[in-house]
Amino acid sequence: DGGITQSPKYLFRKEGQNVTLSCEQNLNHDAMYWYRQDPGQGLRLIYYSQIVNDFQKGDIAEGYSVSREKKESFPLTVTSAQKNPTAFYLCASSIGDSPYEQYFGPGTRLTVT
Amino acid sequence: GQSLEQPSEVTAVEGAIVQINCTYQTSGFYGLSWYQQHDGGAPTFLSYNALDGLEETGRFSSFLSRSDSYGYLLLQELQMKDSASYFCAVKGSNDYKLSFGAGTTVTVRA
Repeated sequence: DGGITQSPKYLFRKEGQNVTLSCEQNLNHDAMYWYRQDPGQGLRLIYYSQIVNDFQKGDIAEGYSVSREKKESFPLTVTSAQKNPTAFYLCASSIGDSPYEQYFGPGTRLTVT
Repeated sequence: GQSLEQPSEVTAVEGAIVQINCTYQTSGFYGLSWYQQHDGGAPTFLSYNALDGLEETGRFSSFLSRSDSYGYLLLQELQMKDSASYFCAVKGSNDYKLSFGAGTTVTVRA
């Protein structure tokens, strides 16, 4: 079955530590995205990538970094510079010419204490 | 930038019809999408409107009026499983970015 996997589902870290969230897709989609969702709010775009080895900042990129070395993978690193990292992180992908129809992974809930 | 407004909550009984409105302000406009998200789950794509008019997909329909910067999602024959949050999202530029509204929580009661 094709889909997007994110691991782990729950992640706990101490303040000051960097943490990398995994996102893998086998849908053969060109574009991939990272969103952050806080309670009672919509999705805010952190980074997106249209093709391998290329990515762009979204609306809230500060304190985050990404890489896109393979089409299937788009890991997100939450750095210690991110002031409020506790949130629900969602990865998505889309066919290259259909960014309005995105397929989401199950999400990673990150708690930093 | 883009801003979207949608009601925060709607409650209805099984079998009823619910309309979720979404108004947007964007510097450019390419289309309006709708997503459903059950509590704790992943958003799933419902529909996309690039042109004015009504798009029907089963019990769900989506409408767009570009001149009014307005759209709505219509949920018919409500079922308990329709209890979820619904987000409108606008593609406001010629890139891959979607801007999401804050979401409308729909609660279906027996």
